[in-house]
Amino acid sequence: DGGITQSPKYLFRKEGQNVTLSCEQNLNHDAMYWYRQDPGQGLRLIYYSQIVNDFQKGDIAEGYSVSREKKESFPLTVTSAQKNPTAFYLCASSIEGRGNYGYTFGSGTRLTVV
Amino acid sequence: AQSVAQPEDQVNVAEGNPLTVKCTYSVSGNPYLFWYVQYPNRGLQFLLKYITGDNLVKGSYGFEAEFNKSQTSFHLKKPSALVSDSALYFCAVREGGDGNYQLIWGAGTKLIIKP
Repeated sequence: DGGITQSPKYLFRKEGQNVTLSCEQNLNHDAMYWYRQDPGQGLRLIYYSQIVNDFQKGDIAEGYSVSREKKESFPLTVTSAQKNPTAFYLCASSIEGRGNYGYTFGSGTRLTVV
Repeated sequence: AQSVAQPEDQVNVAEGNPLTVKCTYSVSGNPYLFWYVQYPNRGLQFLLKYITGDNLVKGSYGFEAEFNKSQTSFHLKKPSALVSDSALYFCAVREGGDGNYQLIWGAGTKLIIKP
C-alpha cells in the first residue's frame, strides 16, 4: 500500500544533540512538508519542498534543517539551536505543490528532550 | 493576512445527534478550504475539501461541510454522530489560484461523542 512512513515513532534527545527524523513516501508525490504540532495549537510549517533538490523555509524554520536528495525522502534534522524541540512532528506529502488534492500525512514522531 | 479560526476548543455531542464543528476564515481571494481529522498519536486524515462548485461538499465517514461565502465559514457537519467520530478536527485554508500559497491551519476542535 502507498503511504508515508515516519520513523522513529518516539525519539529522545539530550541537550546539545542533533537528531534526524525520517520521512519516506512511496506515493510518487512531488511535494513534501514538515509540520510541528504543539498542544492547543494548529500545525506550524517548518519546511516544505515542491521538487527534488529544492526546499523552502516555513514559518518556524529556525533550528531545523532538511534535505531533498530523492523524491521519496525528506528528512528533518532538529539541531541544538532549536531551544524548545519537544513536540509532535508530522510529515506530509501532496501530488503537486499547491496541495489542491489534499495532503497525506505520516503517523508522526514524538520528540522529547531529556 | 490569511487566517482560520475554530472558535470552539471542544464540542460535546450525544451519540445519534447531529454535530457541527465551526470554522471561519479570512483570505484575500477565493478560498480553498479543507477539513482533516486526527486520532490520538496519529497523523491527520483528509476528510473533504472545497475548491469550487457546489457549496455543500460531501466527504469521508458521512461528514459534509457547507461553504458560506457571505459568512466566510466552512462548518463541518454530520447528521448522526458516532462514538468513533471522537477525535481532533482541523480546518485549513489557502488562497486559491496558482500562486505558491501554503495551508493555514486552525488550532483544532476536540470532538467528544458520548454514548
